[in-house]
Amino acid sequence: RKEVEQDPGPFNVPEGATVAFNCTYSNSASQSFFWYRQDCRKEPKLLMSVYSSGNEDGRFTAQLNRASQYISLLIRDSKLSDSATYLCVVQDQAGTALIFGKGTTLSVSS
Amino acid sequence: EADIYQTPRYLVIGTGKKITLECSQTMGHDKMYWYQQDPGMELHLIHYSYGVNSTEKGDLSSESTVSRIRTEHFPLTLESARPSHTSQYLCASSELTGTNEKLFFGSGTQLSVL
Repeated sequence: RKEVEQDPGPFNVPEGATVAFNCTYSNSASQSFFWYRQDCRKEPKLLMSVYSSGNEDGRFTAQLNRASQYISLLIRDSKLSDSATYLCVVQDQAGTALIFGKGTTLSVSS
Repeated sequence: EADIYQTPRYLVIGTGKKITLECSQTMGHDKMYWYQQDPGMELHLIHYSYGVNSTEKGDLSSESTVSRIRTEHFPLTLESARPSHTSQYLCASSELTGTNEKLFFGSGTQLSVL
């Protein structure tokens, strides 16, 4: 079983749609969780950290369910510029290496 | 914008050659990483470093080496390049704030081994 698994893509949605991505992780001792965004042929960039109580940043909401070992990312009111691959990232404990999921590709069309 | 640089941006080389991919950052970050990524695939951790004179192996470390003699510099070396090494190589440094670790990636080196 892979350490970090994500929904298979691609997700093709119209502008204004709400879309949700899920990610599961295998190590119950994992402590830190992030969502990164990667545009085509570009390097990944941090989108947001995921906190235990859930957190929101504008149209983006991240949630963590430790019991089920899953993380989610919700994007409301999708924009064309949201088209990218979204990477789920997990860290076992502070200071250890970050492990990336394969990513879920989102394509938003007008 | 992050101050992390990778050279070369593209490299085409023959089988058996020794190559070094350069990575430098000017942010004073202690922790640095090398990842390998094929198109449409996940990033695989090759090596990482906690700071000067520290190097750790990742999942794909067996065919490459790294060194960390200076904080700002973290080069990756392939002793004998093979076609299976064709991939994109991404270097990153990280900023640690409490339990949050934010990675800053370089633009990558696209390696093609013929």
